[in-house]
Amino acid sequence: DTEVTQTPKHLVMGMTNKKSLKCEQHMGHRAMYWYKQKAKKPPELMFVYSYEKLSINESVPSRFSPECPNSSLLNLHLHALQPEDSALYLCASSQGGRGLNEKLFFGSGTQLSVL
Amino acid sequence: DAKTTQPPSMDCAEGRAANLPCNHSTISGNEYVYWYRQIHSQGPQYIIHGLKNNETNEMASLIITEDRKSSTLILPHATLRDTAVYYCIVRVDYGQNFVFGPGTRLSVLP
Repeated sequence: DTEVTQTPKHLVMGMTNKKSLKCEQHMGHRAMYWYKQKAKKPPELMFVYSYEKLSINESVPSRFSPECPNSSLLNLHLHALQPEDSALYLCASSQGGRGLNEKLFFGSGTQLSVL
Repeated sequence: DAKTTQPPSMDCAEGRAANLPCNHSTISGNEYVYWYRQIHSQGPQYIIHGLKNNETNEMASLIITEDRKSSTLILPHATLRDTAVYYCIVRVDYGQNFVFGPGTRLSVLP
């Protein structure tokens, strides 16, 4: 199994809503990532979890709250988002060994629209 | 982390080789070069990576200049399914910050 599964595929939410994005992998990877991608732009790193601990936070606003309940699961909790937060949110995983052969495996993403 | 620059778009005839350049003039000795591609509305897909030697796999070849300031991804026989945005990425050894370049939109034409 070389898949990273993200749910839901599409999400529409209001600015006062609370919602969560979910990501799951069963490759035994120990690092998991959230990226944000605006239309026609490259993905931008938001968070990295390594061995279930937050290792990178790229100065993301607190209305985005990541959670890594175990090494296979990654959540992104959303609260009080703004319309400019509308984007494709991508989850990725990697072995976590940090060495030469480290590669990212991406899910298909959640297309988020904030109204 | 090194920044990368790529041409915004390129065309290639079906069946011909596609050569996609990437400039990473500020790359450090311990930074790897990765290539990913993204087909519309899907997650990026790994293609190939290297440090200083040229690399080849079933998808592509990666040519890194001797000074490591630039690289070229080669798709030897492009097909219509290779139409995608191709991203050049540098990654620090033992780092987890994969920084995407601006990407090149490759259009393979029949």
